Amino acid sequence: DTEVTQTPKHLVMGMTNKKSLKCEQHMGHRAMYWYKQKAKKPPELMFVYSYEKLSINESVPSRFSPECPNSSLLNLHLHALQPEDSALYLCASSRSGGRVDEQFFGPGTRLTVL
Amino acid sequence: QKEVEQNSGPLSVPEGAIASLNCTYSDRGSQSFFWYRQYSGKSPELIMSIYSNGDKEDGRFTAQLNKASQYVSLLIRDSQPSDSATYLCAVHQIIQGAQKLVFGQGTRLTINP
Repeated sequence: DTEVTQTPKHLVMGMTNKKSLKCEQHMGHRAMYWYKQKAKKPPELMFVYSYEKLSINESVPSRFSPECPNSSLLNLHLHALQPEDSALYLCASSRSGGRVDEQFFGPGTRLTVL
Repeated sequence: QKEVEQNSGPLSVPEGAIASLNCTYSDRGSQSFFWYRQYSGKSPELIMSIYSNGDKEDGRFTAQLNKASQYVSLLIRDSQPSDSATYLCAVHQIIQGAQKLVFGQGTRLTINP
């Protein structure tokens, strides 16, 4: 299995809602990532988990809360989002987070905040 | 913030020709370089990685790296309309002790039949 899967594919939520994005990989990778991508822009790193521990938080607002329940799963909990948070949210994984690691992306969740 | 620069394009190439995509980076200590292809509305797909100076070939794709000039390129031979996409250059950098991929802005490539 060489896939990173993400659910849901699309999500529409109001500013007062709480929702979660899910990511799963079964490649034995020990580093997992959340990126945010706006239209016509490159992916922007949000969080990195390495061996199930949060290693990088790119000063992301607290309305985004990551969670890594085990080495295969990564969640992103969303609460009180703003319309400007509407974007494609990408999960990626890599073997260990080292310098030669190749990162593989999931298909993404298209989030719209009303 | 260390930078990765690409010509945003659009780059238009006739079908069957060679498409040449370029990327420069500012961190001389970078060791790993990646090219991703992203179709409109889809997620980035890794197509090439390169770590040593010189050329690396994979099918119709060739990645070229020149660390002295801080330059990495991607050549696509026999371009096909299905190659039309945005190509993202990504450079592995260590910033404030954290290892991360830094992406260029992407080059939009159009292959004209």
